[in-house]
Amino acid sequence: KQEVTQIPAALSVPEGENLVLNCSFTDSAIYNLQWFRQDPGKGLTSLLLIQSSQREQTSGRLNASLDKSSGRSTLYIAASQPGDSATYLCAVRPDGSGNTGKLIFGQGTTLQVKP
Amino acid sequence: GAGVSQSPSNKVTEKGKDVELRCDPISGHTALYWYRQSLGQGLEFLIYFQGNSAPDKSGLPSDRFSAERTGGSVSTLTIQRTQQEDSAVYLCASSLMNRESYTFGSGTRLTVV
Repeated sequence: KQEVTQIPAALSVPEGENLVLNCSFTDSAIYNLQWFRQDPGKGLTSLLLIQSSQREQTSGRLNASLDKSSGRSTLYIAASQPGDSATYLCAVRPDGSGNTGKLIFGQGTTLQVKP
Repeated sequence: GAGVSQSPSNKVTEKGKDVELRCDPISGHTALYWYRQSLGQGLEFLIYFQGNSAPDKSGLPSDRFSAERTGGSVSTLTIQRTQQEDSAVYLCASSLMNRESYTFGSGTRLTVV
């Protein structure tokens, strides 16, 4: 059974700092991995999607890496801003017969960036 | 519509009552997913629709939970005889076919008292 773990559960940093969020998964048979952002009372916004054959994806100040064989992904946020404060969720899409598009989520990392 | 719409946004119900949660996906999106986010838990997959059929119901926690989709559009998640452990945020997402680009709704926060 696929399990996704995110460390740390919460993180508080001063504005301008670079930071790394970690995600690990137990089964390497994944179709892809996504990072989402969730603001309080809101739905999820997709930030980056990495296909199983890819090693990383970049969007602006965000960079996500994937090491499928070791079951790890990191989300790097450069020059953090108070507007980055949110909960960040990692999700994997299983490959194989379970590939209906459903996602398996981690419990998230709640980030606070202090001005 | 422009996004995925869920209603109601908040629902408080008494234990033992039935509730219906509604999801209106993006027009043309054939794939629809329901997830549940409980306090202290990650998002849990509940059910997947492709068109009006549900090829994957593996996440429904008990037979008190059911869902339907009509006209390849609106979906309703029904919880019968609600229990306190059903309290959670129920999120709906849709996508074109079951491709990677999902759009999530803002969710329905269900509180069972």
